[in-house]
Amino acid sequence: EDKVVQSPLSLVVHEGDTVTLNCSYEVTNFRSLLWYKQEKKAPTFLFMLTSSGIEKKSGRLSSILDKKELFSILNITATQTGDSAIYLCASWGGSNYKLTFGKGTLLTVNP
Amino acid sequence: GAVVSQHPSWVICKSGTSVKIECRSLDFQATTMFWYRQFPKQSLMLMATSNEGSKATYEQGVEKDKFLINHASLTLSTLTVTSAHPEDSSFYICSASRRGSNQPQHFGDGTRLSIL
Repeated sequence: EDKVVQSPLSLVVHEGDTVTLNCSYEVTNFRSLLWYKQEKKAPTFLFMLTSSGIEKKSGRLSSILDKKELFSILNITATQTGDSAIYLCASWGGSNYKLTFGKGTLLTVNP
Repeated sequence: GAVVSQHPSWVICKSGTSVKIECRSLDFQATTMFWYRQFPKQSLMLMATSNEGSKATYEQGVEKDKFLINHASLTLSTLTVTSAHPEDSSFYICSASRRGSNQPQHFGDGTRLSIL
């Protein structure tokens, strides 16, 4: 069975801190690893990672994939209160090329 | 581009009522649509995958007679929760895949269903 594990499950930081969110996966027919941000509605796409070792960056957010270790991290630098959300990691693959989500990391950024 | 619209965004109804949720791809043809359920403080769980013009494929443990899925056109899929009970209260999210997109799926905004 495909599995995605995220850690930590929750994290509380102060504005300006840097955070690293972790995601490990076990997926057959792996295609890509995706990161989403979820506030009160449905997930918002952040990154899709397909190749190992190539960092993807968008503003203060960056992410990288290690296909050998089956692992990805999401970094957020200089956190702001607006970064408070659940960050979901999902693997795309499996027998039906579906998304398998981890449980998410609840990030709270305090002023 | 790649907008998925879900309606309604919020439903409150009595136990025993059937509820229909619509998912539309507004600017692309979605050959495949996905339905997820998310309970509070939990992740998204795939319920079923629907392909236009054919029967939906349900995940293990999801009752197909309870959660009826219809994908009659390339832009519309519907999920009907039949005879809903309080334990069906959840956040239901649809997504659609678009050929050539940089994302495997585009998500609707979700429907929050509360059964009294």
